[in-house]
Amino acid sequence: QVQLVQSGAEVKKPGASVKVSCKASGYTFTDYYMHWVRQAPGQGLEWMGVINPRAGSISYAQKFQGRVTMTRDTSTSTVYMELTSLTSEDTAVYYCARVIPYSAHWFDPWGQGTLVTVSS
Amino acid sequence: QSALTQPASVSGSPGQSITISCTGTSSDVGGYNYVSWYQQYPGKAPKLIFYDVTNRPSGVSSRFSGSKSGNTASLTISGLQAEDEADYFCSSYASSATPYVFGTGTKVTVL
Repeated sequence: QVQLVQSGAEVKKPGASVKVSCKASGYTFTDYYMHWVRQAPGQGLEWMGVINPRAGSISYAQKFQGRVTMTRDTSTSTVYMELTSLTSEDTAVYYCARVIPYSAHWFDPWGQGTLVTVSS
Repeated sequence: QSALTQPASVSGSPGQSITISCTGTSSDVGGYNYVSWYQQYPGKAPKLIFYDVTNRPSGVSSRFSGSKSGNTASLTISGLQAEDEADYFCSSYASSATPYVFGTGTKVTVL
């Protein structure tokens, strides 16, 4: 079955960087886009960006431009999301989610989420 | 891009029907039939329960239905059951630099 398995929780100090991984299985990795969405404690969901695993092309939300980098490793079917210059406002659960390219605009499935805590 | 507006909470008794609204603008909800809905239990990842406004993925209960009128999309849960108690989020494609916007979320309580 289709599965997205993310890396474990992280605790970081302000100013540091974090890199979260999302390993896909159960489908052809390069046939689907991968998006990243975050959810701050008790808050709603926020779209961060998308990577095309086949071409490696990316698009980031304007809010995160300059601070986020999304990459992929096709040999391991894994996508990565790195966020730099962390502040307490980046404390959130980060999700990867799959989207059918070109024609679909829904996220299915989602990874289990990775809690990133930014605290001094 | 502002978040889509949802009621913070909706409640109902078992067997009743409830409706959750999701209000956006003509640049997102009103401009496209690309609204999706997600169910999220505490500490769990969101699960897709509706896409393209009215399409239900296989395996999702037929008690869930979706619709849209103007800039507002709606999710209706009929025959409310205890297992429906969860948070629900809407999402829409948007014609902006941020192509996907999410709702503020609605907590459904089964009384």
